Amino acid sequence: AQKITQTQPGMFVQEKEAVTLDCTYDTSDPSYGLFWYKQPSSGEMIFLIYQGSYDQQNATEGRYSLNFQKARKSANLVISASQLGDSAMYFCAMREGLRAAGNKLTFGGGTRVLVKP
Amino acid sequence: ETGVTQTPRHLVMGMTNKKSLKCEQHLGHNAMYWYKQSAKKPLELMFVYNFKEQTENNSVPSRFSPECPNSSHLFLHLHTLQPEDSALYLCASSQEGPDPQETQYFGPGTRLLVL
Repeated sequence: AQKITQTQPGMFVQEKEAVTLDCTYDTSDPSYGLFWYKQPSSGEMIFLIYQGSYDQQNATEGRYSLNFQKARKSANLVISASQLGDSAMYFCAMREGLRAAGNKLTFGGGTRVLVKP
Repeated sequence: ETGVTQTPRHLVMGMTNKKSLKCEQHLGHNAMYWYKQSAKKPLELMFVYNFKEQTENNSVPSRFSPECPNSSHLFLHLHTLQPEDSALYLCASSQEGPDPQETQYFGPGTRLLVL
């Protein structure tokens, strides 16, 4: 069974508008971390934002925010005021357990975002 | 150089060739990773090294052979590959420690085509 599900294979968004990328996860571990990465066409995975399972507040980083709904096991990424440079693949990932290195990151299938001028 | 670098960026090889991918991290991290990204498939973890010791081999075929001579360098030796091994190979590094937010930092990847 997939542990990370991203149901939107691709989406268009108008420049300057907000977009929400869906991510649901499955784990029985009470301690976990959720990550979002951006992958432009150049290939490099760029870390955007992190949410820990015990964090009380939704994470925010500049124009990125994470809508964390623990009971529903969802961690949607919201990009506000979209820019042309936001066009890329976006991946949701989970690490079970809270240790940093050495624990696996499990990735979803990704969502391709294309920002229209 | 900063961050995580990978060479070569592109590689075309025949099924009988032997080649190596190189990854170097300039972040002072102590864990390194190899991932495979195929078209239309989620990113797959291949190998994990902590403090130069391999801690994970995710059922990777023996035609892929990793090497970690020190905590800054990671190699992936390739031999007798198959066309289905064509993919983007990504290297990442992270820091073992108590901070749960510590994430993995990725290199730009090597695009491999096996003919």
